[in-house]
Amino acid sequence: GQNIDQPTEMTATEGAIVQINCTYQTSGFNGLFWYQQHAGEAPTFLSYNVLDGLEEKGRFSSFLSRSKGYSYLLLKELQMKDSASYLCAALNFNKFYFGSGTKLNVKP
Amino acid sequence: GAVVSQHPSWVICKSGTSVKIECRSLDFQATTMFWYRQFPKQSLMLMATSNEGSKATYEQGVEKDKFLINHASLTLSTLTVTSAHPEDSSFYICSARVRGAGVNQPQHFGDGTRLSIL
Repeated sequence: GQNIDQPTEMTATEGAIVQINCTYQTSGFNGLFWYQQHAGEAPTFLSYNVLDGLEEKGRFSSFLSRSKGYSYLLLKELQMKDSASYLCAALNFNKFYFGSGTKLNVKP
Repeated sequence: GAVVSQHPSWVICKSGTSVKIECRSLDFQATTMFWYRQFPKQSLMLMATSNEGSKATYEQGVEKDKFLINHASLTLSTLTVTSAHPEDSSFYICSARVRGAGVNQPQHFGDGTRLSIL
């Protein structure tokens, strides 16, 4: 089976840095993806890792350790508009398996 | 680029009705599209993989006779919820991978269809 775990909810302050963790156990692995989803909307792609290490894309960075089955999404210089759910998805061949999502609340 | 259009965005209908949802890739071809379902405050659950020109492959526990998938062209996949009941009410989202893109490339999501069965 596929098991993707991430915290249910987090709160952070505008301007701060927040790290959202994700652990995964899948029968196969081709990459780890992060999506942002606002309530009632479709997910939008943020970042992904295929190899170990850190990928940086502006205010968003994602890290992967395949040996540990672990990834995190780092959001810097938080803005109020970053309040959303962040979905971690493990790619097993051509199928995505999503975690339950982490709801991030950014407060002033 | 890589825009996926999903229609309709919202459907309200009576129990027993069949509902068709369309997923179109507007500016690219997609040999593979995916259908997900999302219940409130839960994550996306993969229902099935839609393959152009062949039968869809369904995830365990998804009734293929209830959720009919047709992928008639490289830009269109349809999901038909047959004889829908209130428990089928959910947010249905499709995604597509650009034809020729590697397996480890991001999928592009449609805006979703909110289905409410009365």
